Amino acid sequence: DGGITQSPKYLFRKEGQNVTLSCEQNLNHDAMYWYRQDPGQGLRLIYYSQIVNDFQKGDIAEGYSVSREKKESFPLTVTSAQKNPTAFYLCASGLTDTQYFGPGTRLTVL
Amino acid sequence: AQKITQTQPGMFVQEKEAVTLDCTYDTSDPSYGLFWYKQPSSGEMIFLIYQGSYDQQNATEGRYSLNFQKARKSANLVISASQLGDSAMYFCAMKHRGSSASKIIFGSGTRLSIRP
Repeated sequence: DGGITQSPKYLFRKEGQNVTLSCEQNLNHDAMYWYRQDPGQGLRLIYYSQIVNDFQKGDIAEGYSVSREKKESFPLTVTSAQKNPTAFYLCASGLTDTQYFGPGTRLTVL
Repeated sequence: AQKITQTQPGMFVQEKEAVTLDCTYDTSDPSYGLFWYKQPSSGEMIFLIYQGSYDQQNATEGRYSLNFQKARKSANLVISASQLGDSAMYFCAMKHRGSSASKIIFGSGTRLSIRP
């Protein structure tokens, strides 16, 4: 089946540790995105990539890093520089007019 | 600057009734796209409907329709014959169309609860 997968579903991290969230899509979409959602809030854009080996910062990129070595994959690393990383993280991929989302990863910092 | 406003944090509706979720937007760009997404308790964002700023007719997808009033910068979602499974968060979103940076901005959402 075509779709977007994110792993893991739940992730726990100790303060000071980097952690990487996986996002894979088999929809043959060029563009991929990472969003952060805090409780009771909408989504905020962290990073996005329009094409392989290229990506741009979104509205809240500080403390995060990404790579786009393959069309299918867009991993997000939450670094120790991110002061408040506990949140729900959603990955999306899309065509010109629509974005489709994965099931999300819930990250908790202990 | 582009902005999406959803003024209803929560709504309760009786099953089988129609419901309208409000969304207003602000942009100075002539070309843009408007979306509605549904987010059930599982967390996944489900695409519902899309309206382009130059589309002459209101978008419809099954029980969902988008009441697009361009002059008022309004893009309300109408759900006909609501069902218990419609209970979820609903987000209105806007994309700046035509730029190399296809970013979407989201409103704060409306929590819809359907009563049996």
